[in-house]
Amino acid sequence: DAKTTQPPSMDCAEGRAANLPCNHSTISGNEYVYWYRQIHSQGPQYIIHGLKNNETNEMASLIITEDRKSSTLILPHATLRDTAVYYCIVRVPYSGGGADGLTFGKGTHLIIQP
Amino acid sequence: NAGVTQTPKFQVLKTGQSMTLQCAQDMNHEYMSWYRQDPGMGLRLIHYSVGAGITDQGEVPNGYNVSRSTTEDFPLRLLSAAPSQTSVYFCASGRAGTSPGTEAFFGQGTRLTVV
Repeated sequence: DAKTTQPPSMDCAEGRAANLPCNHSTISGNEYVYWYRQIHSQGPQYIIHGLKNNETNEMASLIITEDRKSSTLILPHATLRDTAVYYCIVRVPYSGGGADGLTFGKGTHLIIQP
Repeated sequence: NAGVTQTPKFQVLKTGQSMTLQCAQDMNHEYMSWYRQDPGMGLRLIHYSVGAGITDQGEVPNGYNVSRSTTEDFPLRLLSAAPSQTSVYFCASGRAGTSPGTEAFFGQGTRLTVV
C-alpha cells in the first residue's frame, strides 16, 4: 500500500465545508484512494473511494488531483456529528474490502466547532 | 440487519484469566478479522479469516487464538490475559471479491482492561 500523509488535526466551523487533505505521492496506477472515519469510541466507517475521477456520495466528495499525488475529502456542510478521526488509505482493491488488512495510520482529527 | 455485533462492550480481567470476545455478522461476508487499537494509535490486525475453517495471523497475533467454524461467527480467545493486552478490540467483516467499492464493516468495539 502506498504511504499517505495527513495533518494530525483540523478545525472547522459547523455548517461550513470541511476540506481534509491527503498526500500520496508514491501512489501507483492501480491503487485507489479510500477514506474511512472513526467517531470517538466507535468502529471505523467507510466514507468514499476513488481512482482518478472526482467522486460524490451522500456523505462526502472526493477530489483527486490530475497527477493523483494528492486528494481532498470534502464534507460539504459539517455538523458536530462529523467530529472524528479521518483516515486516508491508498491501496489496490482487496477481496473482502480489506477486512483482512486495512492499514490505518494516525489520520486527521477533525473537530467541528459550534 | 444488525451488521457486525461485538460482545461484550466492556470487560475487566485479572492477569492470567482467559476469556473470549465474540463477533457475529449477519451479512454473509466471507472475510472477518480482529484488530486492536491502543491509545493514540491506528488499528493493528491480530488475526483474520477468509472463510469458514480458514484463519491466518496478522501483525500482532501473539497471545490470541481464533477459529472460524461458521460464516457468521469469529471469536477471539485470550488464553492468559496480560496487562499489555489492555486495548480496544474491533471486529470487521467484508465480502469476497475485488470490486473497488467493496468496503469493510466494523463492529462497535470491545474495551478490555487487564489488571
